[in-house]
Amino acid sequence: DQQVKQNSPSLSVQEGRISILNCDYTNSMFDYFLWYKKYPAEGPTFLISISSIKDKNEDGRFTVFLNKSAKHLSLHIVPSQPGDSAVYFCAAITGTASKLTFGTGTRLQVTL
Amino acid sequence: EAGVTQFPSHSVIEKGQTVTLRCDPISGHDNLYWYRRVMGKEIKFLLHFVKESKQDESGMPNNRFLAERTGGTYSTLKVQPAELEDSGVYFCASREIGGIEQFFGPGTRLTVL
Repeated sequence: DQQVKQNSPSLSVQEGRISILNCDYTNSMFDYFLWYKKYPAEGPTFLISISSIKDKNEDGRFTVFLNKSAKHLSLHIVPSQPGDSAVYFCAAITGTASKLTFGTGTRLQVTL
Repeated sequence: EAGVTQFPSHSVIEKGQTVTLRCDPISGHDNLYWYRRVMGKEIKFLLHFVKESKQDESGMPNNRFLAERTGGTYSTLKVQPAELEDSGVYFCASREIGGIEQFFGPGTRLTVL
């Protein structure tokens, strides 16, 4: 039973445009949601997080939106840059100490 | 400050052999996690150490996997005997007390032939 789902395996966006990556979850007990970026042959790198009591968190070009009633979150990247091309993982945790539950990832390709 | 390091970066072994993976967390991070990604699927939790104690090992697939963290510093994950389905990328992550973010190492790619 996959508790965190990323239904789009890939996304292609033109440089300078907005990239929107989506994530759905089923477990209403999740306290935090995190986005990680992963380049080939590297480990995931933390991007941004959001507490379940917030609906938006912004850090530079990256903004995460949380819709608790829909159990949905999204990561917006504006403007998209070629260096943003990577696999993006949505993850969630229950409490600060516990394991991360990951989605299957979305491969973002930013084209020139 | 050094990040999480893992050794080896790649291991190719035959079915039935033993392999030991090592993870060195960020200095001072009491929390250490092991995860695995198989065949491009989601990254799955294996276990969690707090210092030298196993806090949660609910993700360990079976008793062929043994994780240790002697002294609460580096950790090892031994697979004995290895099976074909154990192939994948094994990630280690560490986290400081009170933090949310887990810092990941580059992973060890294990191939069982």
